[in-house]
Amino acid sequence: AQKVTQAQTEISVVEKEDVTLDCVYETRDTTYYLFWYKQPPSGELVFLIRRNSFDEQNEISGRYSWNFQKSTSSFNFTITASQVVDSAVYFCALSEAGGSQGNLIFGKGTKLSVKP
Amino acid sequence: DTEVTQTPKHLVMGMTNKKSLKCEQHMGHRAMYWYKQKAKKPPELMFVYSYEKLSINESVPSRFSPECPNSSLLNLHLHALQPEDSALYLCASSPPAWGGQETQYFGPGTRLLVL
Repeated sequence: AQKVTQAQTEISVVEKEDVTLDCVYETRDTTYYLFWYKQPPSGELVFLIRRNSFDEQNEISGRYSWNFQKSTSSFNFTITASQVVDSAVYFCALSEAGGSQGNLIFGKGTKLSVKP
Repeated sequence: DTEVTQTPKHLVMGMTNKKSLKCEQHMGHRAMYWYKQKAKKPPELMFVYSYEKLSINESVPSRFSPECPNSSLLNLHLHALQPEDSALYLCASSPPAWGGQETQYFGPGTRLLVL
């Protein structure tokens, strides 16, 4: 069965702190894709990153970094030196190559609040 | 340009009204999606269009009627909705690919309130 678990419902940090959002997934497919989306209070889901199952290299984009570990079925997201504008709900999602079009399985989301 | 636009941003309607939500993308994507998102929940897939044809209907009540007039436009016609249909409705698009592995790009959503 396919599943995405974001165990942290809410996280609150003070500006400039580093914060890691956890994502654990379950799938039987050997080919799959993992995503992170950001949803600020305005509502739009903003695409952040896509990773395929054959590429375990970690990625860094500015203050954002992602750690993909197939051995633990995790795809964690770290924000370095957090800012108030990072406050949002963050969703991790899974798409299986063997699934149907649009088969995007979302986790329940982690609400991040960054205080000034 | 990874922009998907949606109109209106907000909509209030009575249970007997008929209204439509609109979605537009000019990225050349051939797959478009409607999602429903309730507060503090992840988005739930409603419909998928691939090459202007409805390919997936996730058992959505018939009071929601999708339409894809062309490759850039997606509509969601609403009729006789219930208060529990109040939610954020998100549109997304992606390049078509078997297995749904292409990235979906989302619009800003329409916040719908049914009275």
